[in-house]
Amino acid sequence: QQQVRQSPQSLTVWEGETAILNCSYENSAFDYFPWYQQFPGEGPALLISILSVSNKKEDGRFTIFFNKREKKLSLHIADSQPGDSATYFCAASESNSAGNKLTFGIGTRVLVRP
Amino acid sequence: GPKVLQIPSHQIIDMGQMVTLNCDPVSNHLYFYWYKQILGQQMEFLVNFYNGKVMEKSKLFKDQFSVERPDGSYFTLKIQPTALEDSAVYFCASSLGGEVFFGKGTRLTVV
Repeated sequence: QQQVRQSPQSLTVWEGETAILNCSYENSAFDYFPWYQQFPGEGPALLISILSVSNKKEDGRFTIFFNKREKKLSLHIADSQPGDSATYFCAASESNSAGNKLTFGIGTRVLVRP
Repeated sequence: GPKVLQIPSHQIIDMGQMVTLNCDPVSNHLYFYWYKQILGQQMEFLVNFYNGKVMEKSKLFKDQFSVERPDGSYFTLKIQPTALEDSAVYFCASSLGGEVFFGKGTRLTVV
């Protein structure tokens, strides 16, 4: 059973468009949701994160929208740039558990065409 | 930003042999993790480690797997003996308890 689901699996947008990446989760105990960006041959790097007490988090061109009732969140990448082409992982954990064990989704591969 | 270093980046090993994957975590971090990623699939938690002990391990952390960090040196994942299904990219990570930082991974190929 996948605890964290992501869609779509891949996404192509034109430069300047907004890319929307979706994530949903099963475990009601999850309350910390980081998004990681991974380039080929690299490890995942934290991009932006949100706690379940918030419904929106913005950092530059990246915004997370969070709906606790529906157990859904989305990452919006505004004014997409070719350098944003990467795989994006939604992850979840229980912030008050020792050790911050992350459960990952399968990832969304984003391609931004110039 | 803080770096987690993994050595080697790629290892090829014969089935049945022992392999040790090395990780140099961020220097002041307290929690250490190993994750496994098979090509095209999600990254899956293997184990986390704190204060010299395993805190939690998943079903993927088979009896053939072990971790240690002797005297604050490398945090290692040992697989003995290796099996074909152990072929994957293994990511080491560390944290102070908040943000988790990942290394670039070690691609393990068991032949």
